[in-house]
Amino acid sequence: TQLLEQSPQFLSIQEGENLTVYCNSSSVFSSLQWYRQEPGEGPVLLVTVVTGGEVKKLKRLTFQFGDARKDSSLHITAAQPGDTGLYLCAGLNKADKLIFGTGTRLQVFP
Amino acid sequence: KAGVTQTPRYLIKTRGQQVTLSCSPISGHRSVSWYQQTPGQGLQFLFEYFSETQRNKGNFPGRFSGRQFSNSRSEMNVSTLELGDSALYLCASSLEVQSSYNSPLHFGNGTRLTVT
Repeated sequence: TQLLEQSPQFLSIQEGENLTVYCNSSSVFSSLQWYRQEPGEGPVLLVTVVTGGEVKKLKRLTFQFGDARKDSSLHITAAQPGDTGLYLCAGLNKADKLIFGTGTRLQVFP
Repeated sequence: KAGVTQTPRYLIKTRGQQVTLSCSPISGHRSVSWYQQTPGQGLQFLFEYFSETQRNKGNFPGRFSGRQFSNSRSEMNVSTLELGDSALYLCASSLEVQSSYNSPLHFGNGTRLTVT
């Protein structure tokens, strides 16, 4: 069974701090996506990375896909309370199935 | 443009019963995928339908089934419910199949199923 392990599992920080969330696997994925899910809602896609080593920026969020396409990271600069939510990575495997990570629950306090 | 609509929003069933969940995709989207979300297992893939055909399925028992209609609407059925089936069931639609990375998934807000 392919697993995408995310770390940390929980993160509680003050507004203005920086943070990094990691998404790791022993398997290779053809692409990797990051989602944010808020309570009572479905996940919302933030970004898709396709090429090994690719870096994408979305305002204060920076996403990186590992060179070997087995891992990814999400870095948030100057976190805000609106960033609070469950962050999920998801990799597309060789069987064309989207496998979701274990999730990182982020709480940003004002 | 209306988003993905899932009904009902909440459902309480008794062990041994069966349940049918409904998903209306975004207009024009031909792929519908279903996921089960639990605190312990996270988001797990159930199946994907594209143009009324099951294209892919996850590792769930045969009690979990689904179908897609000609208007792309989809239903998911769980028979002989077990306590462990209590979860948030999420439906996601996309223009093309999941493997098309330029065809992102749009999720509904889910159906919360509680089995007692």
